[in-house]
Amino acid sequence: IQLTQSPSSLSASVGDRVTITCRASQDISGYLAWYQQKPGRAPKLLIYAASTLQSGVPSRFSGSGSGAHYILTISSLHPEDFATYYCQQLYGYPPITFGSGTKVDI
Amino acid sequence: QEQLVESGGGVVQPGRSLRLSCAASGFTFYSYAMHWVRQAPGKGLDWVAFISYNGGEKEYADSVKGRFTISRDNSKNMLYLQMSALRPDDTAVYSCARVLRDGYNYDYFDTWGQGTLVTVSS
Repeated sequence: IQLTQSPSSLSASVGDRVTITCRASQDISGYLAWYQQKPGRAPKLLIYAASTLQSGVPSRFSGSGSGAHYILTISSLHPEDFATYYCQQLYGYPPITFGSGTKVDI
Repeated sequence: QEQLVESGGGVVQPGRSLRLSCAASGFTFYSYAMHWVRQAPGKGLDWVAFISYNGGEKEYADSVKGRFTISRDNSKNMLYLQMSALRPDDTAVYSCARVLRDGYNYDYFDTWGQGTLVTVSS
């Protein structure tokens, strides 16, 4: 299963609403997670099961979608949100696949 | 506090072998399935291998199948990745990750190590 993530990068300002899209090559029935990664750091889980917010993650992060189309939304960008975001599908693995990433910078 | 710490990376010549280790602490390691994921310098995340909680099931990415072997020692809270016939395109930071499954059978990687760098070069 291939994941196409877009955009590959975006520039935004603090307070902006940001949306990142992840399209699968087939229906993955919500088996999708989103991760945030900062340089030199391990990925951090944000969302799993397409829309479930991981404990401790700010509510400005949300996930939506179904079938083969999924969206990560940051409702109001904070300074600490500048990072790279990856989607991941876990439908009937192996294999598990990741999107190519979206870099969010100023 | 759940923690995963990888070790064993380094510089290795093409065709040689290397074994990576992942030490788990702060949780009941034997209860969880585990994965290895790698990230080439400046690139995205790439899933490598999976092992079930008791080691009975193992799965690999096509790119490493037949060359890498995942294993675990639950008595020592350790996860391993034995890598052989290494190639320059195996150069990456290798991280171990714990997988959880919620009540609806949705899996996710909730805990990651910082990773260990493997460089394959002559």
